[in-house]
Amino acid sequence: DVKVTQSSRYLVKRTGEKVFLECVQDMDHENMFWYRQDPGLGLRLIYFSYDVKMKEKGDIPEGYSVSREKKERFSLILESASTNQTSMYLCASENRGAAKNIQYFGAGTRLSVL
Amino acid sequence: AQSVTQPDIHITVSEGASLELRCNYSYGATPYLFWYVQSPGQGLQLLLKYFSGDTLVQGIKGFEAEFKRSQSSFNLRKPSVHWSDAAEYFCAVGASNAGNMLTFGGGTRLMVKP
Repeated sequence: DVKVTQSSRYLVKRTGEKVFLECVQDMDHENMFWYRQDPGLGLRLIYFSYDVKMKEKGDIPEGYSVSREKKERFSLILESASTNQTSMYLCASENRGAAKNIQYFGAGTRLSVL
Repeated sequence: AQSVTQPDIHITVSEGASLELRCNYSYGATPYLFWYVQSPGQGLQLLLKYFSGDTLVQGIKGFEAEFKRSQSSFNLRKPSVHWSDAAEYFCAVGASNAGNMLTFGGGTRLMVKP
């Protein structure tokens, strides 16, 4: 089974702090994604990466950056956390060569910014 | 750009009753369509997918969905709901001209009455 692991289930941070959300997948998938999930809005794509050191902006990249130094790890960075970044963050991975668009998700990190 | 609408934010059904969750999409060509389920505190799990061919697709946990091109719909059904089906359900569309990005609907929260 594919396993996507997000390092924290819950995080509480203060406004202005730098925040790192970590995601690791164990299936050698090329593609990785970061979404945020808000009630009524579903999942919105923040950034994705299709290879090491490669990244592409999604629909809502403002206030976020990402890092992919190794194939299995994809980090989401909030340079200066703000209260409007309080949300559930979901990481996903996908095998680019396999059946189209099937993404596997981690359990999520619920971030509260105070 | 593609979009997905799930008209029902909340649905409550009695255990043993049938279920239909609605999903409408907007996309110019044949989309790839997905239903995911999110149990409380969990990430998203793929229920079923449509890429091409037979428009009635079977998924896990007794769910099925039907692709209707004329109505731009991909509704999810289950003939008899179990209490363990209480969760949030997300419809998503992927497009061949959008790389591997998925667009998600806002979600439908299902509650099951005993």
